[in-house]
Amino acid sequence: GAVVSQHPSRVICKSGTSVKIECRSLDFQATTMFWYRQFPKQSLMLMATSNEGSKATYEQGVEKDKFLINHASLTLSTLTVTSAHPEDSSFYICSARGSRETEAFFGQGTRLTVV
Amino acid sequence: GQNIDQPTEMTATEGAIVQINCTYQTSGFNGLFWYQQHAGEAPTFLSYNVLDGLEEKGRFSSFLSRSKGYSYLLLKELQMKDSASYLCAPMDSNYQLIWGAGTKLIIKP
Repeated sequence: GAVVSQHPSRVICKSGTSVKIECRSLDFQATTMFWYRQFPKQSLMLMATSNEGSKATYEQGVEKDKFLINHASLTLSTLTVTSAHPEDSSFYICSARGSRETEAFFGQGTRLTVV
Repeated sequence: GQNIDQPTEMTATEGAIVQINCTYQTSGFNGLFWYQQHAGEAPTFLSYNVLDGLEEKGRFSSFLSRSKGYSYLLLKELQMKDSASYLCAPMDSNYQLIWGAGTKLIIKP
């Protein structure tokens, strides 16, 4: 299957700082990127969907000014958690889908801990 | 609304067979995925069904009945490494995956 690389895999930051998470499709063009959040023992929750070159579509209840998503190229999308707080501590996962694909391929995930 | 129903947890014995059931309700339907997720890791793809019937892939098989809104994942010759959560995820009319909480499968020796 296709490869999606997510970086960093783990990050610890201080409350009030911002953290950027990168998601790259290595061997295909990702026309659509999905960003998920998963709290322990809970379901994956879709935060936003982004198409290359356009603004992301956020799910209800997700603050777009707090979770900034950029999908400027067909191989890279970034999620920036601004002014992070301890309640933002979670597992963040991206997935990418090409224009001819039905399946979305997942990155390795990022464990964010805000202290 | 959109809804996924899977058992929360199942236990099986190494070498045995286990069937994980999933019922779903979605706005439109564009196929159903099964993913495996080990603790602390991202989901990995297991299968995709878009037509009714059984798809077999090695030790894993997946079945779909669209009219019943029902799917199952069948795991044979269970190994300890199969201990994980199994996520049933149908795709709706917007090609978005709908996620449930998954089924935690515990394999015992």
